[in-house]
Amino acid sequence: QQPVQSPQAVILREGEDAVINCSSSKALYSVHWYRQKHGEAPVFLMILLKGGEQKGHEKISASFNEKKQQSSLYLTASQLSYSGTYFCGTEMGGTGGFKTIFGAGTRLFVKA
Amino acid sequence: EAGVTQFPSHSVIEKGQTVTLRCDPISGHDNLYWYRRVMGKEIKFLLHFVKESKQDESGMPNNRFLAERTGGTYSTLKVQPAELEDSGVYFCASSQMGGPHGEQYFGPGTRLTVT
Repeated sequence: QQPVQSPQAVILREGEDAVINCSSSKALYSVHWYRQKHGEAPVFLMILLKGGEQKGHEKISASFNEKKQQSSLYLTASQLSYSGTYFCGTEMGGTGGFKTIFGAGTRLFVKA
Repeated sequence: EAGVTQFPSHSVIEKGQTVTLRCDPISGHDNLYWYRRVMGKEIKFLLHFVKESKQDESGMPNNRFLAERTGGTYSTLKVQPAELEDSGVYFCASSQMGGPHGEQYFGPGTRLTVT
C-alpha cells in the first residue's frame, strides 16, 4: 500500500517553515525520506525506525508517531536549496523480504 | 568513493524496439534496486537483487522487462519490445544493508522515451 503524502505541493518564501506528512493505514517497519532535485538522483535525508522517534539533519527534521503510521518532515527557515520533490518511502515486508514503497512526492518550491 | 552510475542518461527509441539500461552500484553493496518514475508520479519499485539473486521482482510490469545482475556486480534492465507506456525515468539504487534499515543510494537515472 502506497503511503499518502500531503500536501502535493507547497510554495514558500525563503525563511518560511513547511511540514510534509506521510501516512499509512498500517503500521510501518520504517520510514525513509528522500529529496530529489529536478533531473538529479533522489538523495537520502534520514530514516526513522522506532515509534516516537525524532531525528534532525541541519534545519530539516522528521518524526515518526508512536503507532508508526505517520511521519512528518519539518523544514525550518527554508533555503532556496531546499527546493525539490520530497518522497517518503516505507518498507513493506513480503515473501521476498522488504521493498520500499514511495509516496507520490511533495513538490517544494522556495522563492527568494 | 564512486556513487551509483547508470548508462545511458537518456534513450529515445521507437515502439517495438529494444533497450538495455545498465546500473553500476557502489562497490561492496550487495543490494541493488530498480525503480521507475513516470512524470509527476511516485517512484515505483520494480525489483530487488541481493548479490546475483532476485530477491523480489513483484514490481516488474510484465514479461517484456528482464533484469539481470551478472556476478553480483552491475545490473542490466532490458525492455523488449518497448511500448509507449514504458517511458519514464528508470532509477537504480544500491545499499549495503537490505530491508528497513538500508539507506539507499540512487543513481542519476536513465530517462527513457518511447515514441
